[in-house]
Amino acid sequence: DAGVIQSPRHEVTEMGQEVTLRCKPISGHDYLFWYRQTMMRGLELLIYFNNNVPIDDSGMPEDRFSAKMPNASFSTLKIQPSEPRDSAVYFCASTDRELSYNEQFFGPGTRLTVL
Amino acid sequence: GNSVTQMEGPVTLSEEAFLTINCTYTATGYPSLFWYVQYPGEGLQLLLKATKADDKGSNKGFEATYRKETTSFHLEKGSVQVSDSAVYFCALSASNTGKLIFGQGTTLQVKP
Repeated sequence: DAGVIQSPRHEVTEMGQEVTLRCKPISGHDYLFWYRQTMMRGLELLIYFNNNVPIDDSGMPEDRFSAKMPNASFSTLKIQPSEPRDSAVYFCASTDRELSYNEQFFGPGTRLTVL
Repeated sequence: GNSVTQMEGPVTLSEEAFLTINCTYTATGYPSLFWYVQYPGEGLQLLLKATKADDKGSNKGFEATYRKETTSFHLEKGSVQVSDSAVYFCALSASNTGKLIFGQGTTLQVKP
């Protein structure tokens, strides 16, 4: 398996623009997680899905952030409009809870810079 | 609630020194425990894990033992290398969810 795939790897945009981050989890995994990592706040869980259904979005910072999982092999995290304080590395992770004891497999991340 | 506390970093060591990174946790039930490592510019990857009390996880010379009596999962390595320089995260699984609770991370710098 190729592991968790994220795109793009780097994104530079201007304030006010819409940004869409994409994630393909490992095939067969039933949980998908979106995290944000910054120097100031560390690693934060934004939202997670189980069988394509959002379970907990309490970490989503504000209404400008939204996430979807239309099928088992694809998820998006959208920021509209983007702001400079959204600059961070965004990670996607997936797991098969029954087989993996909650071990999460992380993607390489998307480094977002909002100017 | 569930939580993980790691020692503050950065930790700076010379090559071949002994490493200990402390991790303690608070949890209900019987969580699984993990150490993840993040190399510069990369995502987190699993270093080792332990799924029940007294289990020892090991990988690449690193070890950690699940101590329920002290609620700890300290990471150790007998002889660090420059290539071990990274950020290390301790984590526990939250029961009946898919979530992991992460510590704040400890940066390790190994100098030649």
